[in-house]
Amino acid sequence: EDQVTQSPEALRLQEGESSSLNCSYTVSGLRGLFWYRQDPGKGPEFLFTLYSAGEEKEKERLKATLTKKESFLHITAPKPEDSATYLCAVQALTSGTYKYIFGTGTRLKVLA
Amino acid sequence: DAGVTQSPTHLIKTRGQQVTLRCSPKSGHDTVSWYQQALGQGPQFIFQYYEEEERQRGNFPDRFSGHQFPNYSSELNVNALLLGDSALYLCASSSFVSLSGGISRADTQYFGPGTRLTVL
Repeated sequence: EDQVTQSPEALRLQEGESSSLNCSYTVSGLRGLFWYRQDPGKGPEFLFTLYSAGEEKEKERLKATLTKKESFLHITAPKPEDSATYLCAVQALTSGTYKYIFGTGTRLKVLA
Repeated sequence: DAGVTQSPTHLIKTRGQQVTLRCSPKSGHDTVSWYQQALGQGPQFIFQYYEEEERQRGNFPDRFSGHQFPNYSSELNVNALLLGDSALYLCASSSFVSLSGGISRADTQYFGPGTRLTVL
């Protein structure tokens, strides 16, 4: 069964303390992996799309990487405004159609 | 450039009632997907509309139905509401990109702010 698992469920960091969030997936026909940021009560905000193993994308303090089984979202020197839930989703192609599967997210809290 | 918009922002209904949620996609997008997100969970795919037809459906009962209009906007209808239908309903828009061999894939999905539905 296609599945996306994110870890840890929650993470507390001190301001400036770098860390990584993990997204592992077991899907057939992966067509893309997406990272979103979601603030409480709001819609997910798009961060990155990764399509093939070895690909990396960067934006400000965030860097996303992709292997054949997992993706990492690296946060360098985080600030309190980086506090949010980070969602990972995969796009899997099955029998000529695709589906979008989300993980349950990692809740990040950055303390000043 | 307007992003994805949804209405209403909040909605309170009672069990057994029916509700309609609305979504306008991002400019240039022709595909709309609907998701249900319970508190503390990731979004769950309900269905997707392209060219005014339901193209894919997740594991949701027939009480959940939808429609897409010629201007690409979409509606989500839920009948016979249950307490468990209380959630944040998200609309996402994207544009189909055709690949060789006739297999299409969707581009990145962009989400609206959501509609918070509370069923009492």
